[in-house]
Order: sequence, then structure tokens, then C-alpha cells
Amino acid sequence: SQQGEEDPQALSIQEGENATMNCSYKTSINNLQWYRQNSGRGLVHLILIRSNEREKHSGRLRVTLDTSKKSSSLLITASRAADTASYFCATLDTGRRALTFGSGTRLQVQP
Amino acid sequence: GAGVSQSPSNKVTEKGKDVELRCDPISGHTALYWYRQRLGQGLEFLIYFQGNSAPDKSGLPSDRFSAERTGESVSTLTIQRTQQEDSAVYLCASSSRQGARETQYFGPGTRLLVL
Repeated sequence: SQQGEEDPQALSIQEGENATMNCSYKTSINNLQWYRQNSGRGLVHLILIRSNEREKHSGRLRVTLDTSKKSSSLLITASRAADTASYFCATLDTGRRALTFGSGTRLQVQP
Repeated sequence: GAGVSQSPSNKVTEKGKDVELRCDPISGHTALYWYRQRLGQGLEFLIYFQGNSAPDKSGLPSDRFSAERTGESVSTLTIQRTQQEDSAVYLCASSSRQGARETQYFGPGTRLLVL
């Protein structure tokens, strides 16, 4: 079953704007990861944040994690048309090895 | 180096037929995962292999679904007596054992359509 809920389900912005996506989860986790998917096929790993970390940066990506609220956010700064894709959060739950995915946010960046 | 590969890319079958989906993980990766993604949805976990044993099969939706893995290499997901509800993209991922920093690398998926 899916435990992650992502918000918004769809987001449309102009090139150059920032995009923020949120993810909530329900259980205790080891880490939370964000993935990107183009055209409904393979997923590309973007960033991993451990449960004892609060914020992490990678290039134009900024991820925050609030374990007390069981939520995470992904910020993409200075968006580009090539960022158009679906973005999924996934949690590695305590005691498990498989990831539990959210339902995803479809991001459309207009050139 | 080569990433995770899956075959076939696309498979169209008739209801009631059996299908086999193949996954070649990244060389040296001990863990292998199968997920299913229905149209417009997130990924559902199916089964996880560590080496050639499957400690977690909790996601297999019915006894029509089975998977095996030879050594720390190729895995095959078999769906018997396919139903239309089995139509989805089946994604495979592999990872090396890195504990809490584990990153899963995904293949391109097999798109299955059951008519």
C-alpha cells in the first residue's frame, strides 16, 4: 500500500520560477528519497535525506525533512523546461528494505 | 558502467496467458527489487531479493505472481493466467548493501498490457 501522500498532485509553473512539492508519510523511517520519472518509465534517484538530517542540498535541489510532522519538501530553484517530469518521494521504513512510494507530483515547466 | 536493464520493453498478451519479465541488475548489487506502477500512480512494492533468497514477498498481489533470482544476477518475474488488472509498468531496481544510505537504481521498466 502507498503510505506517502504528495501535494500538489500537479503543478504548472513558468521557467525560472521555483517549484515546491510536499510529501507526508505515516511510519518510522530510516531515510526519505526523492525520485524523478520521465514519461512513465524508469526512475532517476535525485537525493536521499536520512532521518537524523533536517535539510540537504544538491545543485538546484533543496530537501527538508521534519520527522515530528512526518513530512518532507522538495524545492527546485530556477526551474527549466527540462525539469518537466513526475516527482516521487519514497521512504525506507524502519526494519524494511523496500521503498514505499508516494503517488507523485506531476510538474510542468512552461518555457 | 551499465545500469539496470529489463526485457522486454513492452509486452502485449491475452488474458489467461503467462508472461515472464526479466531484470538484469547492476553488476555487484546484492539486492534486487520488483515494483509495479499502474497508470498515473506511484510504485507498489512486490518482492525483494537479497542474493537469491527472497526475505520479503509481502507485496505479491496473488499466487499468480512469482519471482526467482539466480545467484546475485538475473531475476525473472512470472505472472500466470494474466488478468486485465495486471496491466501496468513493472519496474526492477537494484542496490548494494549500504544500510540506511541505500540508494536503489531503477531499470526502464516493462510495460505490460493484458487484453
